[in-house]
Amino acid sequence: GENVEQHPSTLSVQEGDSAVIKCTYSDSASNYFPWYKQELGKRPQLIIDIRSNVGEKKDQRIAVTLNKTAKHFSLHITETQPEDSAVYFCAASQGGGADGLTFGKGTHLIIQP
Amino acid sequence: DAGVIQSPRHEVTEMGQEVTLRCKPISGHDYLFWYRQTMMRGLELLIYFNNNVPIDDSGMPEDRFSAKMPNASFSTLKIQPSEPRDSAVYFCASSLVVTVEAFFGQGTRLTVV
Repeated sequence: GENVEQHPSTLSVQEGDSAVIKCTYSDSASNYFPWYKQELGKRPQLIIDIRSNVGEKKDQRIAVTLNKTAKHFSLHITETQPEDSAVYFCAASQGGGADGLTFGKGTHLIIQP
Repeated sequence: DAGVIQSPRHEVTEMGQEVTLRCKPISGHDYLFWYRQTMMRGLELLIYFNNNVPIDDSGMPEDRFSAKMPNASFSTLKIQPSEPRDSAVYFCASSLVVTVEAFFGQGTRLTVV
């Protein structure tokens, strides 16, 4: 099955700086890579996703890049704000009914004022 | 739509007791997933259904765990007998297909004493 590794486990950045979270996956057949944000005591919610036919996707301050050859993908958050503080999870899925989402262990992002 | 609805929100039970967690997916979603979240293991996929049929239950930890989906609007996850190591937050999620956003319920925080 799929195995997703996520780094770092904790990331502390100054407000206004950028944050980068990296993930690798093992199954070359995986074709869908979502990122979820989970605030303390709440449910995970999708913030951005990317499919294997795209190398990069951007939505305002958030961007995701995918390198299929190296089997890694990254989340980039620019101009970080206090409300960005949360746990972020990457995930990979084969799609086509072959598999559910396999999540990374999560990154606790702390925005220092 | 009210989103994915889980009940109960909190459950405290004694070791050895039977526990049943409930989930109502978003209407029209063909996929339903059960996840378990702990600090040590992160978000783990336990089982998922496609059109009420269990597709992959390889994540179910042991025979004490069972899941059913008798119709498109209801699913249960049962633990019998429960053990303290089952303490976790259990999330149900649903999606139209695997490669689009999975919407999570608010979760059930289970404590087995």
